[in-house]
Amino acid sequence: TQLLEQSPQFLSIQEGENLTVYCNSSSVFSSLQWYRQEPGEGPVLLVTVVTGGEVKKLKRLTFQFGDARKDSSLHITAAQPGDTGLYLCAGARYGGSQGNLIFGKGTKLSVKP
Amino acid sequence: ETGVTQSPTHLIKTRGQQVTLRCSSQSGHNTVSWYQQALGQGPQFIFQYYREEENGRGNFPPRFSGLQFPNYSSELNVNALELDDSALYLCASCPGGGRNTGELFFGEGSRLTVL
Repeated sequence: TQLLEQSPQFLSIQEGENLTVYCNSSSVFSSLQWYRQEPGEGPVLLVTVVTGGEVKKLKRLTFQFGDARKDSSLHITAAQPGDTGLYLCAGARYGGSQGNLIFGKGTKLSVKP
Repeated sequence: ETGVTQSPTHLIKTRGQQVTLRCSSQSGHNTVSWYQQALGQGPQFIFQYYREEENGRGNFPPRFSGLQFPNYSSELNVNALELDDSALYLCASCPGGGRNTGELFFGEGSRLTVL
C-alpha cells in the first residue's frame, strides 16, 4: 500500500515565523501536489512538482520535490494569519487513472497574529 | 467559468438508509473523481468516472456506486449506510484524456452524518 506521511500533524506559530512541513513516502510518484484546505471547503491546488529535485516558488511558499521523487517539502517564509489551514500533499501514481491521488493526512497550520 | 458544485452541502441519515450526492463538474472537464474525507484525515479516493464509465476505483465496498451523465455531472450513491460512512464527500473534476497530472478542482463537499 502506498502511503504519504506528513509531518508535523499540527503546527502553531506566531506571525512572521518560518516553517517547513514534510511529505514522505517509500514509493515513487509521477508527480506530487500540494493542496490547501480551509474549514468547510474543498482542497485548493497550490502547486504540482514533476521532476526530481524540482523547486517551485509561489510568493512566500517554496516547494521542493525530492531527487528520488518519493518526498517533498513545503517551506513558508514569514507566515501570516491568512496562511492558516490544512496543507495536504498528494501523489499521482504511475499508470494510475487520472484523478486518482493518494493523499497524506495533512498538516494543520495555525498562524497567530 | 463555473467551478465544481456539489449538493446537498449537509445531510443527516440513519444507519441502513441510502444516500445520493450530486456533483456538477467544472466547465470543460469530462473526468470526475469522488473522495471520502473522514474527520482528521486526508481525502481517500473512492472512484472516478470518464466518459460515463467507471475508470478506477479505490478500496471501497460495492455499496458505494456512481454514475456520470452525458453532461459530465455525476452522482455518488451509498447504500446500507454505516456509522463510519460519516464524512465529507468531495467531488473533483479535471480535463480528461491525458496522463494523471494530479491537478484536480474540488467542490466544497457534502457533509454526511450517519446516526
